[in-house]
Amino acid sequence: GQQLNQSPQSMFIQEGEDVSMNCTSSSIFNTWLWYKQDPGEGPVLLIALYKAGELTSNGRLTAQFGITRKDSFLNISASIPSDVGIYFCAGRDYNQGGKLIFGQGTELSVKP
Amino acid sequence: DAGVTQSPTHLIKTRGQQVTLRCSPISGHKSVSWYQQVLGQGPQFIFQYYEKEERGRGNFPDRFSARQFPNYSSELNVNALLLGDSALYLCASSTGTGVYEQYFGPGTRLTVT
Repeated sequence: GQQLNQSPQSMFIQEGEDVSMNCTSSSIFNTWLWYKQDPGEGPVLLIALYKAGELTSNGRLTAQFGITRKDSFLNISASIPSDVGIYFCAGRDYNQGGKLIFGQGTELSVKP
Repeated sequence: DAGVTQSPTHLIKTRGQQVTLRCSPISGHKSVSWYQQVLGQGPQFIFQYYEKEERGRGNFPDRFSARQFPNYSSELNVNALLLGDSALYLCASSTGTGVYEQYFGPGTRLTVT
């Protein structure tokens, strides 16, 4: 199925570090959403973006809707252990109704 | 307020059997969407329902069907199960088709043997 290109696929974090991840699409989206999923649970909505160039924060999380409307970025500042999990971007195509297209996920783990 | 609820939590079926998964949306939400999540991948869209009508369908075979009831709850049915249908099935609710913030339930883990 159609998916977004999300990177990195995985990364290790140390408490206090800042984290960045991004998502790109070959087509234009008019909505970008970021979710976090913990093992055995459903994705939890973190941030929703609706306008190109929009920058939105939710606590230590900041996400941006790319100017080209084909990408989005998520930053986590001063990471803590509970940030561990899988982060997914999701985009909505203007002509696809409520269908969300998801990236493959970025898995955050704690540095050994 | 209760979030999206799904039942059952886990299910084991044999190839060729049929399965029905259930979802209750957040109170006040009228739209329900179904997604399939295979291990290691992001969710894949299956269906969206709003006011009991199908409003979108993903690239899944006709073995997959769904419906929405007057109380906005929904069922996903899968016939003639294949091993490849083993996945986490997620239900998401939103206030309507024009609102794109979707809230997910915990999912139903389906294993086909």
